[in-house]
Amino acid sequence: QVQLQESGPGLLKPSETLSLICDVSGFSISSGYYWGWIRQPPGKGLEWIGTMSQSGNSYYNPSLTGRITISLDTSKNQFSLKLTSVTAADTAVYYCAGQPHNTGWYKWFDPWGQGTLVTVSS
Amino acid sequence: DIQMTQSPSSLSASVGDRVTITCRASQSISTYLNWYQQKPGKAPKLLLYAASSLQSGVPSRFSGSGSGTDFTLTVSSLQPEDFATYYCQQSYSTTWTFGQGTKVEIK
Repeated sequence: QVQLQESGPGLLKPSETLSLICDVSGFSISSGYYWGWIRQPPGKGLEWIGTMSQSGNSYYNPSLTGRITISLDTSKNQFSLKLTSVTAADTAVYYCAGQPHNTGWYKWFDPWGQGTLVTVSS
Repeated sequence: DIQMTQSPSSLSASVGDRVTITCRASQSISTYLNWYQQKPGKAPKLLLYAASSLQSGVPSRFSGSGSGTDFTLTVSSLQPEDFATYYCQQSYSTTWTFGQGTKVEIK
């Protein structure tokens, strides 16, 4: 089955750039699915960050537009998130997830990675 | 953005209870509504999609209903493994948004 695994630095300083990678196994990312990122600050709810389709269309949370870039690397079967100019407010568990691509507007997040905690602190 | 509001924010219930969680959208979203369950330290798990379709492998005690702006998630007989936080999420807009969550605790 499709499995996702996040990786990246766990600690950043304010103003640095957060870079995370999601490794996908069991499925070719160029064959389908949309690929997205969601975050969850400690003790709080879920916030969608952004999504990229297998064809290269990107969708970003308007509250983060200008700071985020999501890209696909089909040669490595992984996708990535870059978030610039981080502050303490960006401290969260970051999840990568797949969204079905052939279901019209019906888009849910499944499967999910296990999540990785990123802390922003000086 | 479409705002999703869940109620209650938390509830206490006993094993065997029937539990209902409500999710309200700030505008009509037809049936573009999904439900997730999250346990502490774990990633969310998809329970239902398109408002009422049960994800494969999810017990049939979970059900969903609604369309437009008002939706419900019902657990017909709460089991010990169901104590968790539940989130709704809309996909009517490509600015996908989640509700704030409902924590189901043991009474």
